[in-house]
Amino acid sequence: SYVLTQPPSVSVAPGQTARISCGGNSVGSKSVHWYQQKPGQAPVLVVYDDNDRPSGIPERISGSNSGNTATLTISRVEAGDEADYYCQVWHSSDDHRGVFGGGTKLTVL
Amino acid sequence: EVQLLESGGGLVKPGGSLRLSCAGSGFTFSNYVISWVRQAPGKGLEWVSGVSGSGGTTYYAVSVKGRFTISRDNFKNTVYLQMNSLRAEDTALYFCAKVDQEHLLLRSFDSWGQGTLVTVSS
Repeated sequence: SYVLTQPPSVSVAPGQTARISCGGNSVGSKSVHWYQQKPGQAPVLVVYDDNDRPSGIPERISGSNSGNTATLTISRVEAGDEADYYCQVWHSSDDHRGVFGGGTKLTVL
Repeated sequence: EVQLLESGGGLVKPGGSLRLSCAGSGFTFSNYVISWVRQAPGKGLEWVSGVSGSGGTTYYAVSVKGRFTISRDNFKNTVYLQMNSLRAEDTALYFCAKVDQEHLLLRSFDSWGQGTLVTVSS
């Protein structure tokens, strides 16, 4: 089975840049999607296809994907960015299955 | 406005069954793949199952294959998840989610419901 590995937590001061990694075997050959989830709420798509943003998502949030690591970057971090972030891909071997990373808790200090 | 509304969760004993429903509105329901994603208490997201727009193709996580069945009724704009032989580890909040492009499976989830809670306990 395909595994995506994220750090459990990332901490950053307001105004700084947060980078959340998502590691997987040749993940650069897949499309990576990122979701933000705040406590008690459903996930929200923040980046799709490695580096595209849905409407309404600020330009401060961006993504990249190469080799074995995809990265979600949040610039000029605000208190409202504090949340859990999950990466997601589709893995197709004998069948198509969705795969999520374990999630990263972003703490704004 | 796109809306997804889950229902059918509850408390069930190990080995029991439950059927979840996901009602969609605000989009051409039959054109979109719908998936179920679950989240155990305090844990991360886990993709469970998906169904094509026509209902003719279904996909399952290894952890639920053979126990869960996904289906849809496009006349009622509803996707179902029939869960049999439930185990304690199936306890979770179950979300349904819609992909962002018509007729495609391998896409991101751009709309989510608020979830329905399934608790498996004796």
